Amino acid sequence: EIVLTQSPDFQSVTPKEKVTITCRASQSIGSSLHWYQQHPDQSPKLLIKYASQSISGVPSRFSGSGSGTDFTLTINSLEAEDAATYYCQQSTTPYTFGQGTKLEIK
Amino acid sequence: QVQLQESGPGLVKPSGTLSLTCAVSGGSVSSTYWWTWVRQPPGKGLEWIGEMHPSGSTNYNPSLKSRVTISVDKSKNQFSLKLNSVTAADTAVYYCTRRIAYLDSWGQGTLVTVSS
Repeated sequence: EIVLTQSPDFQSVTPKEKVTITCRASQSIGSSLHWYQQHPDQSPKLLIKYASQSISGVPSRFSGSGSGTDFTLTINSLEAEDAATYYCQQSTTPYTFGQGTKLEIK
Repeated sequence: QVQLQESGPGLVKPSGTLSLTCAVSGGSVSSTYWWTWVRQPPGKGLEWIGEMHPSGSTNYNPSLKSRVTISVDKSKNQFSLKLNSVTAADTAVYYCTRRIAYLDSWGQGTLVTVSS
């Protein structure tokens, strides 16, 4: 089983700040890494697919990068609505998720 | 735009069987996607349970494999989850989803509590 480790677990940030969340895989997964956003009491929403590919309807301030074992989700110019928990997920069975990174807006 | 909607009992007794159904609208369960279940214990992260392809192929989380069955009903355009011998550790919000490699569509989730 591939273990995904996100950092940080929690971050308190101010609006317009740039945020970087990292996801490290326990073995190489190429670009088979996807990012999700989950607001409280809502279902997760796909943000980025295959490490860096954008999703229609997702604001352009969200971007992803990386390959192999190290991946990054970047949020440029953070907005209040970005307060949520972010998860990475790898698509080699058994599929696994990172433990989540909770963003709080100051 | 496909929409998914979970339904089923919100309370299951310990050692019983958890049974949930996911109704699919705006799309067909016969299409070439994997129909997938994910769960989230209260206040915790996401756990992949398993999935089924309309061809009949299945994949299950090894940690749950002995207790899980996922099936697809093409006539009703829905798919289902059965998890037997449940304990309090199975208390979670259960989501039905659609998978390509990534999970691109999610139901709203349904809370299932295991308690006597």
